[in-house]
Amino acid sequence: GQQLNQSPQSMFIQEGEDVSMNCTSSSIFNTWLWYKQDPGEGPVLLIALYKAGELTSNGRLTAQFGITRKDSFLNISASIPSDVGIYFCAGQEDSGGGADGLTFGKGTHLIIQP
Amino acid sequence: ETGVTQSPTHLIKTRGQQVTLRCSSQSGHNTVSWYQQALGQGPQFIFQYYREEENGRGNFPPRFSGLQFPNYSSELNVNALELDDSALYLCASSPWGKTQYFGPGTRLLVL
Repeated sequence: GQQLNQSPQSMFIQEGEDVSMNCTSSSIFNTWLWYKQDPGEGPVLLIALYKAGELTSNGRLTAQFGITRKDSFLNISASIPSDVGIYFCAGQEDSGGGADGLTFGKGTHLIIQP
Repeated sequence: ETGVTQSPTHLIKTRGQQVTLRCSSQSGHNTVSWYQQALGQGPQFIFQYYREEENGRGNFPPRFSGLQFPNYSSELNVNALELDDSALYLCASSPWGKTQYFGPGTRLLVL
Protein backbone atom coordinates (compact mmCIF):
# COMPACT_ATOMS: atom_id res chain seq x y z
CA GLY A 1 0.00 0.00 0.00
CA GLN A 2 0.92 3.65 -0.41
CA GLN A 3 2.98 5.31 2.30
CA LEU A 4 4.18 8.84 2.73
CA ASN A 5 7.90 9.70 2.65
CA GLN A 6 8.76 10.55 6.23
CA SER A 7 12.21 11.63 7.39
CA PRO A 8 14.38 11.19 9.23
CA GLN A 9 13.79 7.51 10.00
CA SER A 10 15.35 7.94 13.45
CA MET A 11 16.83 10.72 15.55
CA PHE A 12 19.24 10.54 18.48
CA ILE A 13 19.24 13.85 20.34
CA GLN A 14 20.17 15.35 23.69
CA GLU A 15 17.50 16.39 26.16
CA GLY A 16 16.64 20.06 25.62
CA GLU A 17 17.37 20.06 21.89
CA ASP A 18 14.83 21.01 19.27
CA VAL A 19 13.55 18.34 16.84
CA SER A 20 12.33 18.66 13.29
CA MET A 21 10.78 15.99 11.07
CA ASN A 22 8.90 16.15 7.81
CA CYS A 23 6.66 14.25 5.49
CA THR A 24 6.20 14.48 1.71
CA SER A 25 3.79 12.94 -0.74
CA SER A 26 3.31 12.68 -4.48
CA SER A 27 -0.43 13.15 -3.89
CA ILE A 28 -2.34 16.16 -2.63
CA PHE A 29 -3.97 15.83 0.77
CA ASN A 30 -6.70 17.97 2.28
CA THR A 31 -5.83 17.01 5.85
CA TRP A 32 -2.47 16.38 7.50
CA LEU A 33 -2.23 14.76 10.92
CA TRP A 34 0.64 14.00 13.29
CA TYR A 35 0.41 11.07 15.73
CA LYS A 36 2.76 9.69 18.40
CA GLN A 37 2.88 5.99 19.18
CA ASP A 38 4.44 4.48 22.31
CA PRO A 39 5.39 0.77 22.47
CA GLY A 40 2.35 -1.51 22.77
CA GLU A 41 -0.13 1.32 22.28
CA GLY A 42 -2.15 2.88 19.50
CA PRO A 43 -1.26 6.20 17.85
CA VAL A 44 -2.25 9.30 19.82
CA LEU A 45 -3.24 12.43 17.91
CA LEU A 46 -0.88 15.39 18.43
CA ILE A 47 -1.88 17.98 15.84
CA ALA A 48 -4.44 18.15 13.01
CA LEU A 49 -4.04 20.52 10.04
CA TYR A 50 -6.94 21.26 7.69
CA LYS A 51 -5.82 24.15 5.50
CA ALA A 52 -2.85 24.67 3.17
CA GLY A 53 -0.30 26.98 4.80
CA GLU A 54 -1.79 26.47 8.26
CA LEU A 55 0.65 26.63 11.16
CA THR A 56 -0.63 25.11 14.41
CA SER A 57 0.93 24.72 17.84
CA ASN A 58 0.18 22.36 20.71
CA GLY A 59 2.44 23.23 23.64
CA ARG A 60 6.02 22.58 22.56
CA LEU A 61 4.85 21.07 19.26
CA THR A 62 4.38 23.06 16.07
CA ALA A 63 3.24 21.68 12.73
CA GLN A 64 2.63 23.20 9.32
CA PHE A 65 0.53 22.15 6.33
CA GLY A 66 2.61 22.77 3.22
CA ILE A 67 1.31 25.32 0.71
CA THR A 68 1.44 22.72 -2.10
CA ARG A 69 -0.66 20.34 0.08
CA LYS A 70 1.99 17.66 -0.56
CA ASP A 71 4.06 18.08 2.58
CA SER A 72 4.02 18.83 6.29
CA PHE A 73 6.55 19.25 9.07
CA LEU A 74 6.52 18.81 12.85
CA ASN A 75 8.85 20.62 15.24
CA ILE A 76 9.34 19.81 18.91
CA SER A 77 11.07 22.43 21.00
CA ALA A 78 13.16 21.79 24.12
CA SER A 79 12.75 17.98 24.04
CA ILE A 80 12.13 16.10 27.29
CA PRO A 81 12.44 12.35 28.06
CA SER A 82 8.70 11.68 27.62
CA ASP A 83 8.96 12.82 23.99
CA VAL A 84 10.59 9.46 23.20
CA GLY A 85 8.50 7.40 20.82
CA ILE A 86 7.59 6.98 17.18
CA TYR A 87 6.03 9.93 15.38
CA PHE A 88 3.83 9.34 12.34
CA CYS A 89 2.52 11.75 9.78
CA ALA A 90 -0.76 10.90 8.09
CA GLY A 91 -2.57 12.42 5.15
CA GLN A 92 -6.17 12.22 4.08
CA GLU A 93 -7.49 13.08 0.64
CA ASP A 94 -11.00 13.95 1.87
CA SER A 95 -11.52 17.13 3.88
CA GLY A 96 -12.77 15.14 6.86
CA GLY A 97 -13.04 11.51 7.91
CA GLY A 98 -14.07 10.34 4.48
CA ALA A 99 -13.96 6.91 2.96
CA ASP A 100 -10.34 7.00 1.80
CA GLY A 101 -8.87 6.40 5.21
CA LEU A 102 -5.54 7.78 6.37
CA THR A 103 -2.25 7.25 4.53
CA PHE A 104 0.67 7.03 6.96
CA GLY A 105 4.41 7.56 6.79
CA LYS A 106 6.81 4.91 8.11
CA GLY A 107 7.48 6.93 11.24
CA THR A 108 10.34 8.83 12.86
CA HIS A 109 11.81 7.07 15.88
CA LEU A 110 12.88 9.71 18.42
CA ILE A 111 15.47 8.70 21.01
CA ILE A 112 16.58 11.18 23.66
CA GLN A 113 19.85 10.89 25.52
CA PRO A 114 19.78 12.50 28.98
CA GLU B 1 -15.78 9.70 28.44
CA THR B 2 -14.53 6.26 27.40
CA GLY B 3 -12.03 6.13 24.55
CA VAL B 4 -11.72 3.51 21.84
CA THR B 5 -11.32 -0.01 23.24
CA GLN B 6 -10.27 -3.19 21.46
CA SER B 7 -10.32 -6.88 22.35
CA PRO B 8 -8.49 -9.10 22.72
CA THR B 9 -5.14 -7.43 23.37
CA HIS B 10 -3.14 -10.37 22.03
CA LEU B 11 -4.01 -13.41 19.96
CA ILE B 12 -2.15 -16.40 18.53
CA LYS B 13 -3.59 -18.34 15.59
CA THR B 14 -2.30 -20.87 13.10
CA ARG B 15 -2.21 -20.52 9.35
CA GLY B 16 -5.58 -21.21 7.70
CA GLN B 17 -7.64 -20.35 10.77
CA GLN B 18 -10.14 -17.52 11.07
CA VAL B 19 -10.05 -14.65 13.57
CA THR B 20 -12.48 -11.99 14.83
CA LEU B 21 -11.27 -8.77 16.43
CA ARG B 22 -13.56 -6.35 18.22
CA CYS B 23 -13.70 -2.59 18.66
CA SER B 24 -15.89 -0.29 20.73
CA SER B 25 -15.95 3.24 19.42
CA GLN B 26 -15.59 6.36 21.52
CA SER B 27 -18.85 7.83 22.80
CA GLY B 28 -20.50 9.97 20.14
CA HIS B 29 -18.45 8.49 17.26
CA ASN B 30 -20.43 6.81 14.47
CA THR B 31 -17.58 5.90 12.10
CA VAL B 32 -15.04 3.11 12.61
CA SER B 33 -11.90 2.48 10.55
CA TRP B 34 -9.55 -0.50 10.74
CA TYR B 35 -5.82 -0.46 10.05
CA GLN B 36 -3.08 -3.11 9.88
CA GLN B 37 0.36 -2.15 11.22
CA ALA B 38 3.22 -4.50 10.42
CA LEU B 39 6.35 -4.34 12.55
CA GLY B 40 8.40 -1.23 11.75
CA GLN B 41 5.78 0.20 9.40
CA GLY B 42 3.04 2.79 9.54
CA PRO B 43 -0.59 1.68 9.75
CA GLN B 44 -2.27 0.63 6.47
CA PHE B 45 -5.97 1.39 5.91
CA ILE B 46 -8.12 -1.75 5.64
CA PHE B 47 -11.67 -0.35 5.51
CA GLN B 48 -14.14 2.00 7.14
CA TYR B 49 -17.69 1.47 8.41
CA TYR B 50 -20.41 4.10 8.67
CA ARG B 51 -24.08 3.45 9.36
CA GLU B 52 -23.39 -0.29 9.47
CA GLU B 53 -22.04 -0.39 5.91
CA GLU B 54 -18.55 -0.57 4.46
CA ASN B 55 -17.84 2.96 3.29
CA GLY B 56 -14.34 2.69 1.84
CA ARG B 57 -11.62 0.07 1.46
CA GLY B 58 -7.86 -0.06 1.12
CA ASN B 59 -5.80 -2.59 -0.81
CA PHE B 60 -6.79 -5.69 1.17
CA PRO B 61 -8.28 -8.95 -0.19
CA PRO B 62 -11.90 -10.02 0.42
CA ARG B 63 -10.87 -12.43 3.18
CA PHE B 64 -10.68 -9.27 5.31
CA SER B 65 -14.27 -8.39 6.17
CA GLY B 66 -16.08 -6.48 8.84
CA LEU B 67 -19.29 -5.52 10.54
CA GLN B 68 -20.62 -2.49 12.33
CA PHE B 69 -23.44 -2.77 14.86
CA PRO B 70 -26.22 -0.32 15.75
CA ASN B 71 -24.23 0.86 18.78
CA TYR B 72 -21.37 1.70 16.34
CA SER B 73 -19.07 -1.02 17.66
CA SER B 74 -17.33 -3.05 14.99
CA GLU B 75 -15.70 -6.37 14.19
CA LEU B 76 -12.85 -7.23 11.84
CA ASN B 77 -12.86 -10.78 10.50
CA VAL B 78 -9.94 -12.37 8.71
CA ASN B 79 -10.39 -15.77 7.02
CA ALA B 80 -7.72 -18.22 5.86
CA LEU B 81 -5.00 -16.59 7.93
CA GLU B 82 -1.55 -16.28 6.37
CA LEU B 83 1.79 -15.77 8.11
CA ASP B 84 1.96 -12.21 6.72
CA ASP B 85 -1.26 -11.34 8.56
CA SER B 86 0.79 -11.17 11.76
CA ALA B 87 0.54 -7.51 12.78
CA LEU B 88 -0.98 -4.98 15.15
CA TYR B 89 -4.59 -4.33 14.15
CA LEU B 90 -5.80 -0.85 15.04
CA CYS B 91 -9.31 0.46 15.23
CA ALA B 92 -10.03 4.18 14.99
CA SER B 93 -13.32 5.94 15.58
CA SER B 94 -14.58 9.39 14.68
CA PRO B 95 -17.71 11.38 14.14
CA TRP B 96 -18.42 11.29 10.39
CA GLY B 97 -16.06 13.63 8.60
CA LYS B 98 -13.93 14.35 11.66
CA THR B 99 -10.52 13.37 13.01
CA GLN B 100 -9.89 9.70 13.85
CA TYR B 101 -8.87 8.52 17.32
CA PHE B 102 -7.16 5.18 17.75
CA GLY B 103 -7.56 2.31 20.19
CA PRO B 104 -4.63 0.39 21.72
CA GLY B 105 -4.73 -2.33 19.08
CA THR B 106 -4.83 -6.13 18.98
CA ARG B 107 -1.56 -7.89 18.31
CA LEU B 108 -2.12 -10.97 16.14
CA LEU B 109 0.52 -13.63 15.66
CA VAL B 110 -0.03 -16.27 12.97
CA LEU B 111 2.10 -19.41 13.26
